[in-house]
Amino acid sequence: GENVEQHPSTLSVQEGDSAVIKCTYSDSASNYFPWYKQELGKRPQLIIDIRSNVGEKKDQRIAVTLNKTAKHFSLHITETQPEDSAVYFCAVSLNTGFQKLVFGTGTRLLVSP
Amino acid sequence: EAGVAQSPRYKIIEKRQSVAFWCNPISGHATLYWYQQILGQGPKLLIQFQNNGVVDDSQLPKDRFSAERLKGVDSTLKIQPAKLEDSAVYLCASSPTGATQYFGPGTRLTVL
Repeated sequence: GENVEQHPSTLSVQEGDSAVIKCTYSDSASNYFPWYKQELGKRPQLIIDIRSNVGEKKDQRIAVTLNKTAKHFSLHITETQPEDSAVYFCAVSLNTGFQKLVFGTGTRLLVSP
Repeated sequence: EAGVAQSPRYKIIEKRQSVAFWCNPISGHATLYWYQQILGQGPKLLIQFQNNGVVDDSQLPKDRFSAERLKGVDSTLKIQPAKLEDSAVYLCASSPTGATQYFGPGTRLTVL
């Protein structure tokens, strides 16, 4: 089955710095790549997603890049703020009739003021 | 738009007891998912419904877990009997297209 690896497991940055989280996947047929943010004790919330026909997508301070050849995609957060502190999960959707998400192991991001 | 609703939010039981969780998806969402999230890990899919039919239950421990979505709207997930390793947050999610999934607040289960 699909295998998703996520790095780093923890990331500490100073406010205003950039943060990058990377995920690699194994199934070349995967075609949908969302990123979720989960604050402590809260539900995962979709923050950005990208499909396999697009190489990059940006939404204000957040961007996602996809390299289909290398089978990896990354989340980029610029001008980080303390409220960005949370656990971030990447996910990969298998190319089946019904989209099934396989999640990465998560990255705990800590933004210090 | 109302979000995915789940109840209860917290449940504490002893091993070998039974427990049930309820989920009400976003109105109009045909696809419903149940995930198990163990502390420090990403959500793991247990079962996926399309309307009232099961499309994937390959990771559901069927000897103790069961789920149903009889009328294609609400769903219940049951564990009988519970084991210590079932302690986790059980997340329900729904989707209108099968891709963008919206999660409920989850039920935190503690098995003693």
